[in-house]
Amino acid sequence: QSALTQPASVSGSPGQSITISCTGTSSDIGAFDSVSWYQQHPDKAPKVMIYDVSHRPSGVSNRFSASKSGNTASLTISGLQAEDEADYYCSSYTTSSTHVFGTGTKVTVL
Amino acid sequence: QLHLQESGPGLVKPSETLSLTCTVSGGSISSDNQYWGWIRQPPGKGLEWIGNIYYTGSTYYNPTLKSRVTISVDTSRNQFSLELRSVTAPDTALYYCARAYLRRFDRWGQGTLVTVSS
Repeated sequence: QSALTQPASVSGSPGQSITISCTGTSSDIGAFDSVSWYQQHPDKAPKVMIYDVSHRPSGVSNRFSASKSGNTASLTISGLQAEDEADYYCSSYTTSSTHVFGTGTKVTVL
Repeated sequence: QLHLQESGPGLVKPSETLSLTCTVSGGSISSDNQYWGWIRQPPGKGLEWIGNIYYTGSTYYNPTLKSRVTISVDTSRNQFSLELRSVTAPDTALYYCARAYLRRFDRWGQGTLVTVSS
């Protein structure tokens, strides 16, 4: 299975909003509302920030929002803060009952 | 609070088998709607899903690794394990165990680095 496609890097200034795209196929993102997003700081385990396309776990800032259209999912970080600088990965459940991760996006706060 | 901890050798020789165990504490591995998975991350690279297991023993594997992977569960010890056969240098990675709850990985171990080298 092929990894979902994400931009390698996205940057923004503090306070700005940025959006990360995640493109898959009709066998993964397009098939289910089972897209999740993970934040990974250096030398740390990933942390789920969004699940089921647009739901935030308890404790995750409402500055993080997400959506899906067709085979593409998107994560938006509003009011960008220094602590948001990290790698972000999307993930989707697939029609083969497997999971696939995105290629990852490095977010830089300028 | 659910806690996952990986354990196993940090160095494996080429062509041999990589074996890791994940010990789950703070909750039962046999609870409904919980799958248990392995995910790896080569140094400086992205995440790759390896496979999941349900407490009943049902398994789901990444097609690209399926021929070399076995994931098993020991409910009596609240543990699940990974075997990756015939390893080569590209299998060098940080290996994470995680809980897949309703199709999202919501609890992760800290990860364990496995290096494939002679």
